[in-house]
Amino acid sequence: EDQVTQSPEALRLQEGESSSLNCSYTVSGLRGLFWYRQDPGKGPEFLFTLYSAGEEKEKERLKATLTKKESFLHITAPKPEDSATYLCAVQASLRDDKIIFGKGTRLHILP
Amino acid sequence: SAVISQKPSRDICQRGTSLTIQCQVDSQVTMMFWYRQQPGQSLTLIATANQGSEATYESGFVIDKFPISRPNLTFSTLTVSNMSPEDSSIYLCSVGVVYEQYFGPGTRLTVT
Repeated sequence: EDQVTQSPEALRLQEGESSSLNCSYTVSGLRGLFWYRQDPGKGPEFLFTLYSAGEEKEKERLKATLTKKESFLHITAPKPEDSATYLCAVQASLRDDKIIFGKGTRLHILP
Repeated sequence: SAVISQKPSRDICQRGTSLTIQCQVDSQVTMMFWYRQQPGQSLTLIATANQGSEATYESGFVIDKFPISRPNLTFSTLTVSNMSPEDSSIYLCSVGVVYEQYFGPGTRLTVT
């Protein structure tokens, strides 16, 4: 069964304290792995798509990497405005365009 | 990318009534998706809606409870029928653009 597991469930960091969020997945043929940011009361905001192991993408203080079994979202020198829930999702090549979401990591950056 | 709007943004409804949620996209898209996000949980796919055909429902979701319309390539509706408090959730519309999905702001539904 296709599955996405994110860790930790919640993370509190001081402003400027870098860290990484983990997304491990099992899927029958990966078409793409996605990272989203979700603020309270809002829909998920698309951040990155990764398609193959070894791929990396960056946006401001965020960098996403992908291996054959997991993805990391690295946050460098975070600011309080980076506080949000970060969702990982995978799209399996044998499941049409359906996306399976993890439960997310709630990130809180303390000023 | 795509810009997606939803109406209403939130509603409080009585048990046993129905609510129709509208989703409008700023460009023509083939596939639209409806998700549910229960409090403290991640997103669960309800159904996939293609224009000109019946929606495809995921396990645990049925057409009688969540009828969907897709009259054209920029619009869809989801109805939550005969509501109970367990239906209290955020309902999200999503569209696929190439291999990426974009989400609307969501409709926060509370059933009393």
